[in-house]
Amino acid sequence: AQKVTQTQTSISVMEKTTVTMDCVYETQDSSYFLFWYKQTASGEIVFLIRQDSYKKENATVGHYSLNFQKPKSSIGLIITATQIEDSAVYFCAMREGGTGGYKVVFGSGTRLLVSP
Amino acid sequence: ETAVFQTPNYHVTQVGNEVSFNCKQTLGHDTMYWYKQDSKKLLKIMFSYNNKQLIVNETVPRRFSPQSSDKAHLNLRIKSVEPEDSAVYLCASSYLGDEQYFGPGTRLTVL
Repeated sequence: AQKVTQTQTSISVMEKTTVTMDCVYETQDSSYFLFWYKQTASGEIVFLIRQDSYKKENATVGHYSLNFQKPKSSIGLIITATQIEDSAVYFCAMREGGTGGYKVVFGSGTRLLVSP
Repeated sequence: ETAVFQTPNYHVTQVGNEVSFNCKQTLGHDTMYWYKQDSKKLLKIMFSYNNKQLIVNETVPRRFSPQSSDKAHLNLRIKSVEPEDSAVYLCASSYLGDEQYFGPGTRLTVL
């Protein structure tokens, strides 16, 4: 069964610094897809960035990038030059590429607080 | 405006009542989902539909039933609500299994 684990419950950083959030996953599938989402204080959940398991290059979108370490089943989210508005809960998620439909499993989330 | 819409925003009811939540997406996606987010922010998938067909049905109590009239609409009915059903119910959509777009959620409080 697929599983996603985020061990960091909360992180506090100063504005304009770089932060890394950890995520490890378990899957039996050789093909899978990894996602990071952000939930703001208002409750809104937005998609940030994605990594497909067959791609070797780490994905990058704006000031978000991923550290994909396939042998360690790890997909870290890196936020560079953090801003106050990056304060939110960040969820890691995985979808297996097999015949299990489009079931996505989410981690428990990491709360990020960015201070001025 | 293209997005995922949910109604109502909030609902307060008593144990044993029936409630229904609506979800509509105007993104042209073919897959829709219902999630439950508890007070600890844990997100758990309940159901998923692809082109009106149920493709994911997690272990949820039988009092929960999804209803899809077309690929743009996915509703959730709860018969005889229980206190543990208090949560935020989030609807999402995607194209196949790609990244999901979430609605604002419906907060259910069961007294």
